[in-house]
Amino acid sequence: EAGVAQSPRYKIIEKRQSVAFWCNPISGHATLYWYQQILGQGPKLLIQFQNNGVVDDSQLPKDRFSAERLKGVDSTLKIQPAKLEDSAVYLCASIAGTSGSSASLMSEQFFGPGTRLTVL
Amino acid sequence: AQSVTQLDSQVPVFEEAPVELRCNYSSSVSVYLFWYVQYPNQGLQLLLKYLSGSTLVKGINGFEAEFNKSQTSFHLRKPSVHISDTAEYFCAVILQGAQKLVFGQGTRLTINP
Repeated sequence: EAGVAQSPRYKIIEKRQSVAFWCNPISGHATLYWYQQILGQGPKLLIQFQNNGVVDDSQLPKDRFSAERLKGVDSTLKIQPAKLEDSAVYLCASIAGTSGSSASLMSEQFFGPGTRLTVL
Repeated sequence: AQSVTQLDSQVPVFEEAPVELRCNYSSSVSVYLFWYVQYPNQGLQLLLKYLSGSTLVKGINGFEAEFNKSQTSFHLRKPSVHISDTAEYFCAVILQGAQKLVFGQGTRLTINP
């Protein structure tokens, strides 16, 4: 079974530029998460999708961040314009179940390798 | 409010020595508890989880953790570590009624030969 794929693995941009990250979850996984992991901290949830709908985007800075999962499979996360404090690793994860079900909450989240963003 | 606290940001140990990575959570409701490991340049991988039942949970790679409700702790232990255990370890919690995983700050485990 292929794992969660993310690209690019590394990205360096200047502040005020735009950047996009791509994630392809494990085949058949309905729920997809994007996390931001700042150096020295644990991952922080940015947005959660169930199929192509948003379940939770309460911690997404919507003035500059956007995400979509149009066909309920792969997803993109965009930052426009980037700030210095956006430097972090952006992780994508997926689980098989649907959000909110007991089974899915107990399930293992499968993580991709992440995209390391450096904003200069 | 911080739900999960990992008390040590770095833990250096010698190879074949025992190790304990500490995790405390703050919640008055039931929780599900997890430990994830992140090897260099890789994504997070589940080590073990506590959902209910026996408070001693065994995971992969010889790790185990004990849920202590009175002390609101879920410390991770391994009796003898190897160089390959060098990684960042994250404790995480799902609060009853919530639908998301909240991670601690992480503990970097360094194994010295």
